[in-house]
Amino acid sequence: QKEVEQNSGPLSVPEGAIASLNCTYSDRVSQSFFWYRQYSGKSPELIMSIYSNGDKEDGRFTAQLNKASQYVSLLIRDSQPSDSATYLCAVPPFNFGNEKLTFGTGTRLTIIP
Amino acid sequence: DAGVIQSPRHEVTEMGQEVTLRCKPISGHDYLFWYRQTMMRGLELLIYFNNNVPIDDSGMPEDRFSAKMPNASFSTLKIQPSEPRDSAVYFCASSLDRADTQYFGPGTRLTVL
Repeated sequence: QKEVEQNSGPLSVPEGAIASLNCTYSDRVSQSFFWYRQYSGKSPELIMSIYSNGDKEDGRFTAQLNKASQYVSLLIRDSQPSDSATYLCAVPPFNFGNEKLTFGTGTRLTIIP
Repeated sequence: DAGVIQSPRHEVTEMGQEVTLRCKPISGHDYLFWYRQTMMRGLELLIYFNNNVPIDDSGMPEDRFSAKMPNASFSTLKIQPSEPRDSAVYFCASSLDRADTQYFGPGTRLTVL
């Protein structure tokens, strides 16, 4: 099993709808979780981090964490064409600080106007 | 701040040639990371430095790859000799401390013919 798994997509969502991106991880004791966004031809940028079970909201973005199920998700409400990008889930090994991140292969999201 | 600076942005070379990629991290950041991104393998951490000292090079694929950080404002990733399978986008990133956000440079697109 890969350490961090994501559906590669592509995921197509109509403008204004909710986009749901999912990520599972194998290390049961992981404590930190990150979502990076990468536009085509650009570099990744951090959009959300979450450390505790439950939901964390930041504007139109909500990260959800379920440690028992080893599952983290990213919801994008009121999706906009500018949200079209690849979303990368990243998890650091438990015995490292957040500097050593293992990335999923990413989910390509397309928002359809 | 100018952000993380990488050069060159594009590099095309022939198999067997030496390739040197360069990175200038954000001033004041203690951590510097080198990543490689391909469609097949996603974003992989190659090596990272803390205060100019290599901490973990377990992601360096082979002895053909080497990285140095002679001072806080400059790092190089060298491939010698290069092979077609080294073709990828190479990102440099930096962060303030081990728990902080990683800021990525624009990347170097390497093509080895």
